[in-house]
Amino acid sequence: KQEVTQIPAALSVPEGENLVLNCSFTDSAIYNLQWFRQDPGKGLTSLLLIQSSQREQTSGRLNASLDKSSGRSTLYIAASQPGDSATYLCAVPGPETSGSRLTFGEGTQLTVNP
Amino acid sequence: DAEITQSPRHKITETGRQVTLACHQTWNHNNMFWYRQDLGHGLRLIHYSYGVHDTNKGEVSDGYSVSRSNTEDLPLTLESAASSQTSVYFCASSDKFIAGELFFGEGSRLTVL
Repeated sequence: KQEVTQIPAALSVPEGENLVLNCSFTDSAIYNLQWFRQDPGKGLTSLLLIQSSQREQTSGRLNASLDKSSGRSTLYIAASQPGDSATYLCAVPGPETSGSRLTFGEGTQLTVNP
Repeated sequence: DAEITQSPRHKITETGRQVTLACHQTWNHNNMFWYRQDLGHGLRLIHYSYGVHDTNKGEVSDGYSVSRSNTEDLPLTLESAASSQTSVYFCASSDKFIAGELFFGEGSRLTVL
């Protein structure tokens, strides 16, 4: 059974700092990994989808890397801003027969202080 | 713009009552999912559907049911609500059967008293 772990559970940084969020998964036979953002009381917004054949995916100040062999992904946020404050979740699909069902980590709650 | 909407956004009900949470998507996605989110457990899959008339159980399906009569809708029914079903429920859809990108609704907060 796939298990996804995110460390740290919470992170507080001053504005402008570069930061890294970590995600690890137990079964490396994945097709892709998805990073989401969740604001309080809201749904999840997809940030980046990184395919298993890719090592990195970038969107603006966000960069996600994927190392399947070690079962790890990182989300790098450059020049953090107070508006980046949210919970960040990573998720992976199961084996081919499980379709697009995802297993989620519990998330990292990020606070960026002005 | 295509979207996925859930209703109601907030509901309070009593133990034993039947409750239905609606999910409607205009993405024309075949794949739809229901998750619940609880502190300490993260997001857990309740039911999912890969097309009209297709429904499947997820890891926490006891006490829940779904039906898929068209592409756009996947209502989630709690047959007899229990306090343990107090949670935030999220509907999601995906364009691909295998490893598709998931798009989420805003969630429905359910309180069972």
